[in-house]
Amino acid sequence: DIVMTQSPDSLAVSLGERATINCKSSRSVLDSSNNREYLAWYQQKPGQPPKLLIHWASTRESGVPDRFSGSGSGTDFTLTISSLQAEDVADYYCQQYYSSPLTFGGGTKVEIK
Amino acid sequence: QVQLVQSGAEVKKPGSSVKVSCKASGGTFSTYAMSWVRQAPGQGLEWMGGIIQTFGTAVYAQKFQGRLTISADESTSTVSMELSSLRSDDTAVYYCARGGSTLTNDGLDVWGQGTTVTVSS
Repeated sequence: DIVMTQSPDSLAVSLGERATINCKSSRSVLDSSNNREYLAWYQQKPGQPPKLLIHWASTRESGVPDRFSGSGSGTDFTLTISSLQAEDVADYYCQQYYSSPLTFGGGTKVEIK
Repeated sequence: QVQLVQSGAEVKKPGSSVKVSCKASGGTFSTYAMSWVRQAPGQGLEWMGGIIQTFGTAVYAQKFQGRLTISADESTSTVSMELSSLRSDDTAVYYCARGGSTLTNDGLDVWGQGTTVTVSS
């Protein structure tokens, strides 16, 4: 199984400041046949199901604000919130869909400082 | 706009089984793979398994092999998950979620609202 490790576990950032979440996979999630990274990021607010923010490591889902961006390749990935808004307070998860079983990182809680 | 609506909360005794359903509306159903993900109280997300509807093939995480059955009914656009031999640590919110055409070719872009399953004697 591919193990996904997120850091930090929690993060407190001032409104308008940058938040950065890291995700490391135990094996590459790059498919060299199509040069795509099989990595997604989700946002989950209390009492709600997760919401897909980014797939293919850096492609934002429709309607996701452009302050959210994903980057990285191979085994190291980053989710950046460029200017934290109050509505961004949530848990964030990375997930690989390169191979079964699909696996998630342990999550990062983002709060306002 | 596809919506996934799950069945209601369940309270079960240890050793029993639970079946949770997930009905799709508003879009194409059978061309997508559907996954089941659970979340224990205060914990992270755990993928349990999924079904590739085009082939009717179910795939399970090893942890749930022998205890989990995922099925799909194209006529009602419903996917179901049945977990047997329930234990207290199966207490969780269970989500269905839509993937790509297979389980491993896209993220999970549409989620059900979640079904709380409580296992208690």
